[in-house]
Amino acid sequence: DTGVSQDPRHKITKRGQNVTFRCDPISEHNRLYWYRQTLGQGPEFLTYFQNEAQLEKSRLLSDRFSAERPKGSFSTLEIQRTEQGDSAMYLCASSLGYFGTNEKLFFGSGTQLSVL
Amino acid sequence: KNQVEQSPQSLIILEGKNCTLQCNYTVSPFSNLRWYKQDTGRGPVSLTIMTFSENTKSNGRYTATLDADTKQSSLHITASQLSDSASYICVVSVSNFGNEKLTFGTGTRLTIIP
Repeated sequence: DTGVSQDPRHKITKRGQNVTFRCDPISEHNRLYWYRQTLGQGPEFLTYFQNEAQLEKSRLLSDRFSAERPKGSFSTLEIQRTEQGDSAMYLCASSLGYFGTNEKLFFGSGTQLSVL
Repeated sequence: KNQVEQSPQSLIILEGKNCTLQCNYTVSPFSNLRWYKQDTGRGPVSLTIMTFSENTKSNGRYTATLDADTKQSSLHITASQLSDSASYICVVSVSNFGNEKLTFGTGTRLTIIP
């Protein structure tokens, strides 16, 4: 499978615990995005990377959230001290080249987080 | 505030019938408009991308239209199949100092029944 892969697919955790998600983009894609999606809503932008540089972070990304893309390939999204409001689908997407040229965004299947 | 509104929220049609989904947007400056299909529990998959100068684009049984003057788009599905059951999300890209930002609609939940 040469698409965007995310791991794990599902994560159940207790409030206050830390969780980490991984995203492996399509290999030649230099841009990587994280989105959050709750039931019945469209995805909301969290952050994106151009290669290893994190170029933008949404106001939704509180200080409990951190994302990395250390070698410009895979990325991790960590949530510290999880809260019930963090329960959502976390989607990763990747694209090739300058986004302004209408490049397609390819999404992974997401990680469904449930905070109890 | 940039917004993308879709209608209807949900739609149920018989297999083989056609349907049209609507999208209205109030974003500026407009760069392009995208339609995505999202199966339950999966990530969105791109169907079409249209720029300002394009007013129609097809992808198999899916045909998207764009009226940039009225800021409206539609997605027409012909001869629906059971596999078309999904959420269809309208996404508008805003160009801001060379950076693109996507504004997602909340989607139309389409159910095809046999």
